Order: sequence, then C-alpha cells, then structure tokens
Amino acid sequence: GAVVSQHPSRVICKSGTSVKIECRSLDFQATTMFWYRQFPKKSLMLMATSNEGSKATYEQGVEKDKFLINHASLTLSTLTVTSAHPEDSSFYICSAKISTGNTEAFFGQGTRLTVV
Amino acid sequence: RKEVEQDPGPFNVPEGATVAFNCTYSNSASQSFFWYRQDCRKEPKLLMSVYSSGNEDGRFTAQLNRASQYISLLIRDSKLSDSATYLCVVNMNTGFQKLVFGTGTRLLVSP
Repeated sequence: GAVVSQHPSRVICKSGTSVKIECRSLDFQATTMFWYRQFPKKSLMLMATSNEGSKATYEQGVEKDKFLINHASLTLSTLTVTSAHPEDSSFYICSAKISTGNTEAFFGQGTRLTVV
Repeated sequence: RKEVEQDPGPFNVPEGATVAFNCTYSNSASQSFFWYRQDCRKEPKLLMSVYSSGNEDGRFTAQLNRASQYISLLIRDSKLSDSATYLCVVNMNTGFQKLVFGTGTRLLVSP
C-alpha cells in the first residue's frame, strides 16, 4: 500500500514552546490530508482536514490558531502546536488520501507529544 | 448523536469463535466505509473496505446496510493475533472529504 511518513515519532517539549509535526506521502500525491489526536484508550478524534493549496477545515472545538496546519504541496502537510501546554500531550496521527474518490486513507506512524 | 458509533467492548472470545461488530453512522449521504485495525500504541491500518454488496476477505466479512445506516464486521475462527481494536471509518464526503472514526471496538481473543 501507499506509504505515509510522519516525523518526529516522539517529541518532548517545554510548556510555551511550539512543535512542528510533518506528514509526507512518499509514493503518491495526497490531495487531502487529515490530522487526528488520540488520548490514551480513546478514539481518534479528527482535528482538521487539509486540502493542498487551501486553508484547512477545522473541527468544532479545535483552535485553528493553536494548531496551525499547512498543506503546501501534494506530498507534505505540517501541524504546528503553538504555545504547547501539558494538556496538549497526546498522540497525533496524520493520514492521507490518494484522491477525492472513495479510497481509503493511509496513516503515518504517529507522533507522541509530551509537554512538560 | 455521534457521527459514527461503535460499542467499545471489550469483546472477550475464545480462539476459534465467531465474533461480529456493528457500527452506525448518522449521515445518510456518506459514501464510503472502511474497517481499520489498530494495535496498542500503533497507527491504524486498513483491514478492509466495505462495499454495498458486502465483501469477504478470508475470515473477515464486511456488510453495509444503507437503509439502517450501519456496517458490520464478522470475524470467523478467531485467532489470538486478531486481538486489537477495530475501528469503523466513514467518509462523510459532504462536499469535502471528511474521514470520521468510531470509538473502536476492542477484541480480546484468549487461548
């Protein structure tokens, strides 16, 4: 299947700093990428949908100024957690779709963020 | 009502058992459906897509009921390695792409 690479896999940062997470589709062009957050023993919660060249669509309750998403190319989307706080500690996962059709999404390996 | 709902389980079954999971979705305009599997602390991986006519892949059978807005996953002859969380995923596709996950159903297969 298609490969999605997410980096870093694990990051620890201090409160108040910003962290950037990258999501790359390695062998296909991703018109749409999704960012999810998963707390321990909970489901994946969709944070935002990112379409190449346009603004991301954020889910209700997700602060767009705190979670900055940039989908500058068909193979790269980034999520920046700005002014991170301990409550932002979570598992962040990106996924990418090959096309706008009814195709499945492929997932990155996830990033475990710990804010201390 | 949640967009996608699943029974979180856990479902505890012995090896060799048959187990079924259901998942309901709220948006009747949803167009594509999937079952993903997630192992502890790993990313989800596609198990199978769900087609309107139903589809089977080895021990796994997926069904879609548009009228009642639910999909199902049947696992026959359960193996220990089937222990995982099974996630129902719906592409709402209402003008733009939106993949929404259910809470997941945890399956524990015991010897």
